[in-house]
Amino acid sequence: EVQLLESGGGLVQPGGSLRLSCAGAGFTFSSFAMSWVRQGPGKGLEWVSTTSDTTYYADSVKGRFTISRDDSKSTLYLQMNSLRAGDTAAYYCAKSTGKNSGHAFDSWGQGTLVTVTS
Amino acid sequence: EIVMTQSPATLSVYPGETATLSCRASQSVSVYLAWYQEKPGQAPRLLIYGASTRATSIPARFSGSGSGTEFTFTITSLQSEDFAVYYCQQYHSWPLTFGGGTRLEI
Repeated sequence: EVQLLESGGGLVQPGGSLRLSCAGAGFTFSSFAMSWVRQGPGKGLEWVSTTSDTTYYADSVKGRFTISRDDSKSTLYLQMNSLRAGDTAAYYCAKSTGKNSGHAFDSWGQGTLVTVTS
Repeated sequence: EIVMTQSPATLSVYPGETATLSCRASQSVSVYLAWYQEKPGQAPRLLIYGASTRATSIPARFSGSGSGTEFTFTITSLQSEDFAVYYCQQYHSWPLTFGGGTRLEI
C-alpha cells in the first residue's frame, strides 16, 4: 500500500521560510514523479510543483519555492521562502502515475497546513 | 496556461439517480484528463485518468468520457458516500491545472 506522510507545516510570518517533507513508502519512490498540490481555505486544488527528471513550478511560486527529492530516503521536499499570506493552504504531497509523463496523481498524503500571518 | 472550467458548480441529485458533470479545457488536452473526488477532511482521491480509465479499486458506477476540450464524468446509482466535491485536472501540458470543482449534494 502506498503511503505518503507530510510534515513541516506550521505558522510563519510573511517573508519567512518553511521546509515541508513528504516520506513515501510502499512503492519504488525513484520510479515516479512527485508533486506538491495545495488547497487554500475554502478554495480548490492548485498544483504547485513537480519533480521528475525535470522540475516544474507554478508561476505563483517560481523563484520562491524549491522542490527536491532524496530517492535514497524516499523523501520529497518543498523549501518555501518569501512566504506570503496567499501561500496559506494545506499542502499535499502527491505521487504521479508516471515518471516523465502521465501526471495524474494516484496517491496523496493527508496534507500539512501552512499558515502565513503576522 | 490551460484553463479548466467545470460545470455546474453545484449539482443536487437524489440517491439512486445519475449525476453528470462536465469539464471543458481552454485548448485541447487530448485524453490527458483526470477526475478526483474530495470529501471534507480527506485527501483527494483519483477516480479516472486518461479521460476514461478507472483508477484502482474504483467502482464501475464511475465513468469518464471525452477528448480534446470536452469531458464528461458520470456517476450512476448515486450512493450516500458519493456526495463530495469533484475536480478535473489536465496533465497535457505545464502548468498542470485543475478545474474549480463541482459540489455534488443530496
